[in-house]
Formats: sequence, C-alpha cells, structure tokens
Amino acid sequence: EVQLVESGGGLVQPGGSLRLSCAASGFTVSSNYMSWVRQAPGKGLEWVSVIYSGGSTYYADSVKGRFTISRDNSKNTLYLQMNSLRAEDTAVYYCASPLTVGATGAFDIWGQGTMVTVSS
Amino acid sequence: EIVLTQSPATLSLSPGERATLSCRASQSVSSYLAWYQQKPGQAPRLLIYDASNRATGIPARFSGSGSGTDFTLTISSLEPEDFAVYYCQQRSNWRYTFGQGTKLEIK
Repeated sequence: EVQLVESGGGLVQPGGSLRLSCAASGFTVSSNYMSWVRQAPGKGLEWVSVIYSGGSTYYADSVKGRFTISRDNSKNTLYLQMNSLRAEDTAVYYCASPLTVGATGAFDIWGQGTMVTVSS
Repeated sequence: EIVLTQSPATLSLSPGERATLSCRASQSVSSYLAWYQQKPGQAPRLLIYDASNRATGIPARFSGSGSGTDFTLTISSLEPEDFAVYYCQQRSNWRYTFGQGTKLEIK
C-alpha cells in the first residue's frame, strides 16, 4: 500500500527542538520532490519546506535558518528538524509528495499529519 | 514570494448548483497551479494539477481552467460531499505557496 506516515510531534517549550519523521511505503522518497506543509489550528495551509530528488532544499521565509529538511534513502524516510521553536510554529505538520502527477508541483499523496504544540 | 489570493472567502450554495472558485497569483505561475479539497480533520486531497488536469479518481464535475495569473475551479453540480474548504497552490522558482482558502458551505 502506498502511504506516508508522520511521527514525532508533541508538546515542546518555546526555544526547544523537535524532529519529525515521515515514513514512506510503496514508493521511494528520493524518486521525486517531497515537502512539509503545516496548518495552524483553524487556519489555512502553509508550505514549509521541500527537498528535491537531487538533494536541493528550499524553505519558507518563516522557518529559514531554524528548520532543516532531510531524507534517509536507506530508511525511505523524510525528516524535518525543527529548532528554536516558537508559539507560531504550533500546527499540524503534513508530509506530501507527488505519486502519479510527476514533477508538476502538485502533491497527490499526503500523510495523516502530526501535531506540534509549542507552549510553556 | 508569489501570493495567491482566493475569492470569495466563503461561498454559500445549494446541492445541484454550480460553484465557481477563483485564484489569482501576484505574478505569472504559468500552469503550475493545483487545487485541493480539505474536510475537517482530514489531510488535503488533490483535485486538479497543471491548472486543468483532474487527479486520479476525481469526478468529472470538477474542472480547472486558467493560466498565468488567473485560475478557476468549477464544480458543475454540487453534491453534498463537496461542501468543504478549497485551496489553490503554486510552484515557482522551486518554492511553493497556498492560497488562503475558500469555504464552500451549504446554503
């Protein structure tokens, strides 16, 4: 079965760190681009970061310098290392990837999301 | 950063009616424009990619059009399950942005 499963969310204090994981099955994480997208409670979707098949990475201005996207091809898993967390980083974090739409910039497979709460 | 502006913010219609949702980009995104549907507690679901291509399994009542800066998602005849929030999304210069969403609610 083709799926993405996120883990690693939880409650963290402001200034703290957290690493999210996104395990893929049924396809290879390195075969195309993969992204993290977040959604604050009651708000819209916000793109966070992307890693392309060649390894290039890009970030939203709101997380640049604090978050790092990476992948482990041997574990077929995508990661998001989040440092210097702020209250405004509180959100459900989704990983997403193209599966059948090629390199069109769209995402047709999404994980179920993992909740990150930044609070003292 | 390219900004996507969706209108209207809320659209109130009845089942069987036609829905027209708009997405305007602050600069051209060519045809790298996608549409998603999201229901409460669920991950987004891809409906349209490359501005006008329906994703796998998406009913024919959903259609997309446009290029450059102006895009439209049309639902030809609303079904009860279509009432949800809809987002447009673009890719440009290797980065991505989403619109703020249009809530389609039952009138």
